[in-house]
Amino acid sequence: ETGVTQTPRHLVMGMTNKKSLKCEQHLGHNAMYWYKQSAKKPLELMFVYSLEERVENNSVPSRFSPECPNSSHLFLHLHTLQPEDSALYLCASSPQGQGGEKLFFGSGTQLSVL
Amino acid sequence: AQSVTQLDSHVSVSEGTPVLLRCNYSSSYSPSLFWYVQHPNKGLQLLLKYTSAATLVKGINGFEAEFKKSETSFHLTKPSAHMSDAAEYFCVVRANTGGFKTIFGAGTRLFVKA
Repeated sequence: ETGVTQTPRHLVMGMTNKKSLKCEQHLGHNAMYWYKQSAKKPLELMFVYSLEERVENNSVPSRFSPECPNSSHLFLHLHTLQPEDSALYLCASSPQGQGGEKLFFGSGTQLSVL
Repeated sequence: AQSVTQLDSHVSVSEGTPVLLRCNYSSSYSPSLFWYVQHPNKGLQLLLKYTSAATLVKGINGFEAEFKKSETSFHLTKPSAHMSDAAEYFCVVRANTGGFKTIFGAGTRLFVKA
């Protein structure tokens, strides 16, 4: 148990659906991250929030919309996704600092887009 | 700029024999280096990290890694493999200058034969 909880664990959606992924941490961390893990590709950093402000946005399509209402919660809102968006979406958190801190990962949401 | 290269996509060993997973990095700044492990259907778990202290770093489950600046390497080793070590391993680099950019290697899948 890492202290980072993601829901749902699995999600199947059609291309016209709207859904949201949720991440929650109670570790007192100030930074939260969304990563995408696709088969045979390195983990891709999507978004980073520090103190509830977005500090990284790595050219992610607008059909992915993050939200960080407070330092403990992070959402990823999904709409009009494509089949190539099927992947494992991982949330992580870390203390804010100088970059050497480790990341604490959730177990991920396995997303399938039909 | 930073990058990380895991030299083997797959490594297969017999139970009880040594494990070597290779990682080379490049970084414009003094880096922090990490190894994470991911078991099937799970999130990533930190094995060990290097942050400019001792060059030989000991982690959990008997793993260790040696930071070699001259070779820009951070290889992961274990003297004796166990069946439960079968998983995907990721080498990770972060700059020690602050910021949240975290670069993951493509991963090495470790197979352990009985």
